[in-house]
Amino acid sequence: DIQMTQSPASLSASLGETVTIECRASEDIYNGLAWYQQKPGKSPQLLIYNANSLHTGVPSRFSGSGSGTQYSLKINSLQSEDVASYFCQQYYDYPTFGGGTKLELK
Amino acid sequence: QVTLKESGPGILQPSQTLSLTCSFSGFSLSTYGMCVGWIRQSSGKGLEWLANIWWNDDKYYNPSLKNRLTISKDTSNNQAFLKITNMDTADTATYYCARGSSHWYFDFWGPGTMVTVSS
Repeated sequence: DIQMTQSPASLSASLGETVTIECRASEDIYNGLAWYQQKPGKSPQLLIYNANSLHTGVPSRFSGSGSGTQYSLKINSLQSEDVASYFCQQYYDYPTFGGGTKLELK
Repeated sequence: QVTLKESGPGILQPSQTLSLTCSFSGFSLSTYGMCVGWIRQSSGKGLEWLANIWWNDDKYYNPSLKNRLTISKDTSNNQAFLKITNMDTADTATYYCARGSSHWYFDFWGPGTMVTVSS
């Protein structure tokens, strides 16, 4: 199976700051990558698919990039409602998820 | 508007079989390219994909759990089901169903149902 290593595990940032979360796959996943946001007590919500396509209704301050084995999620101008955990998921092979990044306000 | 909702027993004993139901609306599992997947989340193992069932009744299972899982659907009643045999305390988790597409990511999720395995 394809292992997904996500970093950092936790992150503290200020309002208005730009935040980047990384995800590394154990082999090339050919842009078969999604990013999810999960707020406490809620289910994950799709943000990005195909590595860089924004899901319907997701604010444009979220963006995804990368290729091969290295991918990233960027949040521009951090808002208070962005406090959440973020997960990557590859779907080049049967789905596997990264361990998550917990984003808090500084 | 796509919605999904999971239902389950809440608590069961080790060695019992878990039966979960996903009731959904806003799409049909008879539509080309649609699937429903089951994913669980525990504090120990994070998010773990379990199984997918597709509009054409194709079924895919996580290889590490394949011999314990059975996924099925009732297209006319907009429901999908998952059975997990021989439950263990390590299977304690929140279980989600989610809508998938031909690219195997999940664009809509249910709120989840907590399952505790305890004697």
